[in-house]
Amino acid sequence: DGGITQSPKYLFRKEGQNVTLSCEQNLNHDAMYWYRQDPGQGLRLIYYSQIVNDFQKGDIAEGYSVSREKKESFPLTVTSAQKNPTAFYLCASRPGGSPDTQYFGPGTRLTVL
Amino acid sequence: KQEVTQIPAALSVPEGENLVLNCSFTDSAIYNLQWFRQDPGKGLTSLLLIQSSQREQTSGRLNASLDKSSGRSTLYIAASQPGDSATYLCAVRQGGSTLGRLYFGRGTQLTVWP
Repeated sequence: DGGITQSPKYLFRKEGQNVTLSCEQNLNHDAMYWYRQDPGQGLRLIYYSQIVNDFQKGDIAEGYSVSREKKESFPLTVTSAQKNPTAFYLCASRPGGSPDTQYFGPGTRLTVL
Repeated sequence: KQEVTQIPAALSVPEGENLVLNCSFTDSAIYNLQWFRQDPGKGLTSLLLIQSSQREQTSGRLNASLDKSSGRSTLYIAASQPGDSATYLCAVRQGGSTLGRLYFGRGTQLTVWP
C-alpha cells in the first residue's frame, strides 16, 4: 500500500518533555509538510521541506523542530518551548509535478498533561 | 498574507437537500484552489482541485466553482446524504511560489440527518 503513515495515533506527554511525531511516506514525493489543527481552526503550517536536508519554517514554527535526512521521513519534535502543544498534528506530502495536490496522513493527536 | 474565510462555520440539513458552501480569499493571485473533506479525528481527503485558469470542476454530486477576480469559490453538493457529514476545508495555493504551501480556511462542519 502506498501512502503516508503517522505514528502514534494518540500521544500523551507530561509538560516540559520533548516528544517526536513520526511521518513516513512511500509515495516517492519530494515535498513534505507539517500542520497543526486546533478545534474549530483551519490547518496552520509549522514546517515544510522541498528536498532532503532542506526545510523552511512555516507560520508557527516556534517551539518545534524537524529534520529531513531521508526522502521518505520527516519527523517533527515538539519541544518544551512550545507553550500550548496539545493539538492534532497532520503530515502531508506532495509530488514534484502533477497532480499538484497534497496527500495527508491520518494525524497524531498530542495531549500534554 | 493570504487569508481564507469559509461561511457558514456549521450547517445542519435534512437528507436530500442541495447545499452551497462558500470560501473567500483575500489575495486573488492564486495558483489553484482545493476543497478537502475531513472526517472527525482523521486526515484530509482532496475532493476537487481548480486551477487558476479554470472556472469549475465536477466530481459526482460535487461541483466547485472559482471566481478568481472576486476571490470566491463555492462547493455545491447535490442531493446530500448522511454520508456527506464531515468538515469541508477550502485551501488556496499562492501563485508565484514553487514551494506548494497551502492556506486553509477554518472549515464548514456539515451534518446531514436522515
